[in-house]
Amino acid sequence: KAGVTQTPRYLIKTRGQQVTLSCSPISGHRSVSWYQQTPGQGLQFLFEYFSETQRNKGNFPGRFSGRQFSNSRSEMNVSTLELGDSALYLCASSLRSDNEQFFGPGTRLTVL
Amino acid sequence: GESVGLHLPTLSVQEGDNSIINCAYSNSASDYFIWYKQESGKGPQFIIDIRSNMDKRQGQRVTVLLNKTVKHLSLQIAATQPGDSAVYFCAENSSASSGNTGKLIFGQGTTLQVKP
Repeated sequence: KAGVTQTPRYLIKTRGQQVTLSCSPISGHRSVSWYQQTPGQGLQFLFEYFSETQRNKGNFPGRFSGRQFSNSRSEMNVSTLELGDSALYLCASSLRSDNEQFFGPGTRLTVL
Repeated sequence: GESVGLHLPTLSVQEGDNSIINCAYSNSASDYFIWYKQESGKGPQFIIDIRSNMDKRQGQRVTVLLNKTVKHLSLQIAATQPGDSAVYFCAENSSASSGNTGKLIFGQGTTLQVKP
């Protein structure tokens, strides 16, 4: 069974731009969660989607948004990029919300 | 507040020895815990999980212990190998406080270094 895939793997943007990251969950998994990982803050929860509905959201500004499609694939968008948005963005999928989450390799975003 | 912390940022062990990585959590409502291993340039890899109705769970070379009284979690790795070198994270999910969603709260991580 294929694991969680994320595209692109690496991205370089400049301040003020926007970016869209994509995540394909493990087949059959309906829950997709997004996390931001930085050296200073560690792994922080962004949001979770289940059956195309956002079920929970972390403490991030409204510039961070996401969505989930009917095939459970998910995208997250960051608008008006700031230098501090540079991070590894991780996507995780699970069968249900309270099950083990399996992570993808992440998208490394660099904001210049 | 919500926090899951690890006692030591770096743990260095000799190959073949057993490793113990500790984690303290503050949310007494936490009912599900996961240990992850993250190697450089990769996403976190699921190792083992435990629910609050258990105090011990074993996997292949790994054991997780949960002490709800002192809100402490530990990961034991038997016969540590060079391939075990990585950063280890504990994560907590509280269905009560997160509304039964997939919100995991992660600790800061412990770097395990295995000396040959």
